[in-house]
Amino acid sequence: EADIYQTPRYLVIGTGKKITLECSQTMGHDKMYWYQQDPGMELHLIHYSYGVNSTEKGDLSSESTVSRIRTEHFPLTLESARPSHTSQYLCASSGAGGANVLTFGAGSRLTVL
Amino acid sequence: DAKTTQPTSMDCAEGRAANLPCNHSTISGNEYVYWYRQIHSQGPQYIIHGLKNNETNEMASLIITEDRKSSTLILPHATLRDTAVYYCIVRVNNAGNMLTFGGGTRLMVKP
Repeated sequence: EADIYQTPRYLVIGTGKKITLECSQTMGHDKMYWYQQDPGMELHLIHYSYGVNSTEKGDLSSESTVSRIRTEHFPLTLESARPSHTSQYLCASSGAGGANVLTFGAGSRLTVL
Repeated sequence: DAKTTQPTSMDCAEGRAANLPCNHSTISGNEYVYWYRQIHSQGPQYIIHGLKNNETNEMASLIITEDRKSSTLILPHATLRDTAVYYCIVRVNNAGNMLTFGGGTRLMVKP
């Protein structure tokens, strides 16, 4: 059973609103990631973190920002949502024992009208 | 990173073994083969990984050829719930790596 939680699971919001997608894990993992996936398309890494106060941009450019103030928490923020941000956002984490063994959350499906 | 090639889609009869191939002819000596699956827009799920020896766990078996240029993921008794997109990824196992998911193989298990 995955110990990584994402909220909200579904969000419908109007253009221009600020949104924060929450991601928390209880496994004590140092590394955390955000992937973005459109329906039927590939996953793309947009942000990652090696640990507290460490954040990096991923392969796919994103207008979102992330923060890592606590090990267990890795929220993603969009300051002004646009319809082009409509997508599914998947959070994951990995521990020291296996850098490429990721545990994923259930995802947050964002729709911007 | 070594590039992987997987068939776009496959069908399998329920109860039969599903054999999913992956070619990684440019794999280097320190790169592992990882398999994940994604069931209908849920988060991907780790299945298994290996370096050169065959591996088995409660979910699947991983067979890696002796020259390591290809591998096969085996689901011994596929069920309808195994219908998913299966990703084969080749990466070095160190902390600096970020997993990249390609297109994968869409496995359809049919009754």
